[in-house]
Amino acid sequence: RKEVEQDPGPFNVPEGATVAFNCTYSNSASQSFFWYRQDCRKEPKLLMSVYSSGNEDGRFTAQLNRASQYISLLIRDSKLSDSATYLCVATNDYKLSFGAGTTVTVRA
Amino acid sequence: GAVVSQHPSRVICKSGTSVKIECRSLDFQATTMFWYRQFPKQSLMLMATSNEGSKATYEQGVEKDKFLINHASLTLSTLTVTSAHPEDSSFYICSARDVRTSVYNEQFFGPGTRLTVL
Repeated sequence: RKEVEQDPGPFNVPEGATVAFNCTYSNSASQSFFWYRQDCRKEPKLLMSVYSSGNEDGRFTAQLNRASQYISLLIRDSKLSDSATYLCVATNDYKLSFGAGTTVTVRA
Repeated sequence: GAVVSQHPSRVICKSGTSVKIECRSLDFQATTMFWYRQFPKQSLMLMATSNEGSKATYEQGVEKDKFLINHASLTLSTLTVTSAHPEDSSFYICSARDVRTSVYNEQFFGPGTRLTVL
């Protein structure tokens, strides 16, 4: 079983829409969680950390549910520039475990 | 955020040759560097972890004699793919971390090296 699993999508949404997706992690000892964004053929870039109490960064909201071992990302008022693959990451000590990514395409 | 560079960004080589990829932390000291590999439409897979001045720790299934890692200084790690074959063609990405200052296990990624073995 993969350590981090994500719905690959793709999620095709119009500009201005809200899109949300989850990922699940299998290691209950995972300590920290992140969402990364990866554009085609580029390196992943940190989008936001995920805190236990949930957190927002502009149009992005991340939630963590430790009991059910899932993390969510919600994008409000989506922009064309939000089109990317979003990678869910769980860490155990120093090791990052990546999901395969959820592809989001925002259309005009 | 901290800056990590990789060189070369792209390499095409013949089967059987060796390829060296450099990873540098430009504005911080990387006590730990990580090497990942990503095949198309798949997640990043950790290949190995290297701490400055010590031998790398390889993940299960990664051949240490094929993927040579050196982390001789706090700003430079190298990955050498020895006797590369077409199945080694992939996107290789390094990341770096200063364990003395990083919070929440954050790592900073290099721009990646796309290796194509003919």
